[in-house]
Amino acid sequence: AQTVTQSQPEMSVQEAETVTLSCTYDTSESDYYLFWYKQPPSRQMILVIRQEAYKQQNATENRFSVNFQKAAKSFSLKISDSQLGDAAMYFCAYYNQGGKLIFGQGTELSVKP
Amino acid sequence: DSGVTQTPKHLITATGQRVTLRCSPRSGDLSVYWYQQSLDQGLQFLIQYYNGEERAKGNILERFSAQQFPDLHSELNLSSLELGDSALYFCATASVPPGRAEAFFGQGTRLTVV
Repeated sequence: AQTVTQSQPEMSVQEAETVTLSCTYDTSESDYYLFWYKQPPSRQMILVIRQEAYKQQNATENRFSVNFQKAAKSFSLKISDSQLGDAAMYFCAYYNQGGKLIFGQGTELSVKP
Repeated sequence: DSGVTQTPKHLITATGQRVTLRCSPRSGDLSVYWYQQSLDQGLQFLIQYYNGEERAKGNILERFSAQQFPDLHSELNLSSLELGDSALYFCATASVPPGRAEAFFGQGTRLTVV
């Protein structure tokens, strides 16, 4: 069965600095998708970035980028130029063609001014 | 706006009661997922439907049930409510069009059992 692991329950970053959140997953499939979601204090779940496993190029969305290492089954999120509004819980998720959507336990990110 | 609509946004009810939460998916999304999130907890997967059929079950209590209707909206029914059922209930809907997958969440229903 597929699993998703976020080994950092909490992370902290100084405003304007860069932080990387880790995510590893376990699967025997070759075709799948990976997502990072942000959950701010409002508790809305916001899709931050997506990566297709068949693409070697790492996805980027403005200040957010991923480091996708398929062989290592690693999918980390890098936030550059951190802003106070980036403070939130971040969830990594795995999604396959069969429709499974599995989440990690989350990483609570705090941003210090 | 994700395009996924959940109603109601807030619900306060007494122990022992029954409630129904509703989720309307984005146009074209066939999959619906229900999650429970208690305070300071992660997302607990409850159940998934695909095009009207149950596809997968997670840690869903027997007091809870769900269904997906022909128009693809879904309802989560919670009965014999207990204080511990107080939580945020999310639905997410997803599609896998060629070359792209997306899974978006509704704003959640905050259930308070008193």
